[in-house]
Amino acid sequence: TQLLEQSPQFLSIQEGENLTVYCNSSSVFSSLQWYRQEPGEGPVLLVTVVTGGEVKKLKRLTFQFGDARKDSSLHITAAQPGDTGLYLCAGRGAGNMLTFGGGTRLMVKP
Amino acid sequence: NAGVTQTPKFRILKIGQSMTLQCTQDMNHNYMYWYRQDPGMGLKLIYYSVGAGITDKGEVPNGYNVSRSTTEDFPLRLELAAPSQTSVYFCASSYGGGSYEQYFGPGTRLTVT
Repeated sequence: TQLLEQSPQFLSIQEGENLTVYCNSSSVFSSLQWYRQEPGEGPVLLVTVVTGGEVKKLKRLTFQFGDARKDSSLHITAAQPGDTGLYLCAGRGAGNMLTFGGGTRLMVKP
Repeated sequence: NAGVTQTPKFRILKIGQSMTLQCTQDMNHNYMYWYRQDPGMGLKLIYYSVGAGITDKGEVPNGYNVSRSTTEDFPLRLELAAPSQTSVYFCASSYGGGSYEQYFGPGTRLTVT
């Protein structure tokens, strides 16, 4: 079974601060996705990274896929209350199915 | 497009009861999935389907059954409900497997007491 570990599990910060969330595995993934989930709703895709070392930016969010395709990070610059939510990474591995990490719950206080 | 819809939104079951969670998508997606999400945790795959008439087990299939008679519908059946099945259940669909975007429904919150 391929496992994805996310850290930290919880993060509470003030508006305007920067933060980084990590997603790590001992397994290699063909691609990795980041989803955001708000309370009472299903996850929504933010980005897909495919190539080792790939960096993608989505406004204030920067996503990086590790060179060895075993890890990924999500960096948020100048966090806003609207960024509050559960951030999930998901890797495509054996069987072509997604394996989800445990999630990082982010709270951004005004 | 409504996307992925799930019913019911909430349900309380007694131990040993059975129920079916409904899931419908209107995007003509081939792939459909059922996940469960325990409090504060990520998603675990229960069952998935790559097309009408084809289903396969995911990571945690015990205690559940599925069918896929049409492209649009992918119901999840719980037989003999147990407290360990208390969770939030999400249905999702995608055009293809792997890194294709999965579109999620709003979830069904199930409590077994």
